[in-house]
Amino acid sequence: GENVEQHPSTLSVQEGDSAVIKCTYSDSASNYFPWYKQELGKRPQLIIDIRSNVGEKKDQRIAVTLNKTAKHFSLHITETQPEDSAVYFCAEVVGRDDKIIFGKGTRLHILP
Amino acid sequence: NAGVTQTPKFRVLKTGQSMTLLCAQDMNHEYMYWYRQDPGMGLRLIHYSVGEGTTAKGEVPDGYNVSRLKKQNFLLGLESAAPSQTSVYFCASSYGRRHNQPQHFGDGTRLSIL
Repeated sequence: GENVEQHPSTLSVQEGDSAVIKCTYSDSASNYFPWYKQELGKRPQLIIDIRSNVGEKKDQRIAVTLNKTAKHFSLHITETQPEDSAVYFCAEVVGRDDKIIFGKGTRLHILP
Repeated sequence: NAGVTQTPKFRVLKTGQSMTLLCAQDMNHEYMYWYRQDPGMGLRLIHYSVGEGTTAKGEVPDGYNVSRLKKQNFLLGLESAAPSQTSVYFCASSYGRRHNQPQHFGDGTRLSIL
């Protein structure tokens, strides 16, 4: 069935260090993978996305990599800052109706 | 351009009561979605719509109904509220597959069922 596995569920990193969140998806036909950031009490907001015709995309301190063969994609945050503390969700878009299946989220804590 | 607007923002209901959550978008999006978010469960799709007059079931549709009478509005109904429906509800919209664009979310509705 449609499923996205996301790891880890909680991640603590020292300010300035890098953070990596990994996801595995099930639908080999999926071709669009967004990442959302949700701050406490706020709406999920798109931070970066990747389409299946590329293996990596970067936007300043944030990058996403995609391995279609292994059905893995990962979010990389470098030089982490306190404002990076939030819950991050990976997702895949499946089916004709563009349903988005979300991972269960990773709570990222940036330690001072 | 307000984006996606949800009303109400908060509501407390008693078990067995009914209510309707309203989602409105002004981006001319074809697709609209309702999610619920519970601690540790991420976002789960309840129902969605790929156009005016159409609706479809998502991952957790039981206990909910939806209607899309106008392109800009997507209503989520609870006919007989149960404590298990206590959650934060998010509406989202997008252009759809042809455009392969992300979903835009509303601010959420926090619903408590006593």
